[in-house]
Amino acid sequence: EVQLVESGGGLVQPGGSLRLSCAVSGFPLSSYWMTWVRQAPGKGLEWVANIKQDGSDKYHVDSVKGRFTISRDNAKNSLYLQMNSLRAEDTAVYYCARQGIAGTKTPNGWFDPWGQGTLVTVSS
Amino acid sequence: SYVLTQPPSVSVAPGKTARITCGGNNIGTKSVHWYQQKPGQAPVLVIYYDSDRPSGIPERFSGSNSGNTATLTISRVEAGDEADYYCQVWDSSSDHLIFGAGTKLTVL
Repeated sequence: EVQLVESGGGLVQPGGSLRLSCAVSGFPLSSYWMTWVRQAPGKGLEWVANIKQDGSDKYHVDSVKGRFTISRDNAKNSLYLQMNSLRAEDTAVYYCARQGIAGTKTPNGWFDPWGQGTLVTVSS
Repeated sequence: SYVLTQPPSVSVAPGKTARITCGGNNIGTKSVHWYQQKPGQAPVLVIYYDSDRPSGIPERFSGSNSGNTATLTISRVEAGDEADYYCQVWDSSSDHLIFGAGTKLTVL
């Protein structure tokens, strides 16, 4: 069974840091682009970042560039999101998701499946 | 940057057909994907590559994409279809993934 399980969320003060993890199972992580998507309370979905199968290509939404970094460790079946200089507007549920089909070279793909999400709250 | 425009809400009676639109400049030249999200749950893919259905998604769900509008069509709507629906594309000019703002489908 394909599974994605996020962890690492919690309450952090503005300016603080958190590292989110996404543990995957049931498929070869090294074959897929992976992505982080967030959803602020009561709001819509916002793509945050995605990363190529071998980590050689990464894309981040403008609002997190220079603050957030996506990474992966295929040997550990894990995806990560390092979040620094957190702001109140980063408060959201963060989802990891598998992107596209195995082996694709393009980030142009859909997300399936998704993890259950982890809540990040930035507040003093 | 590229913008996807969805109606905030659509209402439909059970058994009828719901159509949810996603507007964008020449969106017909892009691949559009659709997600369903019920309260408290993660999104679920319901349509990919404009009109393909993942396994497990009912045939009542279909999609189309042409010109400046992509459409998700749900036939014979059921109470269980009530959810938020999001369209998504990849914008190659900005190297960004874009979501529409979402449409809340209400089953009357």
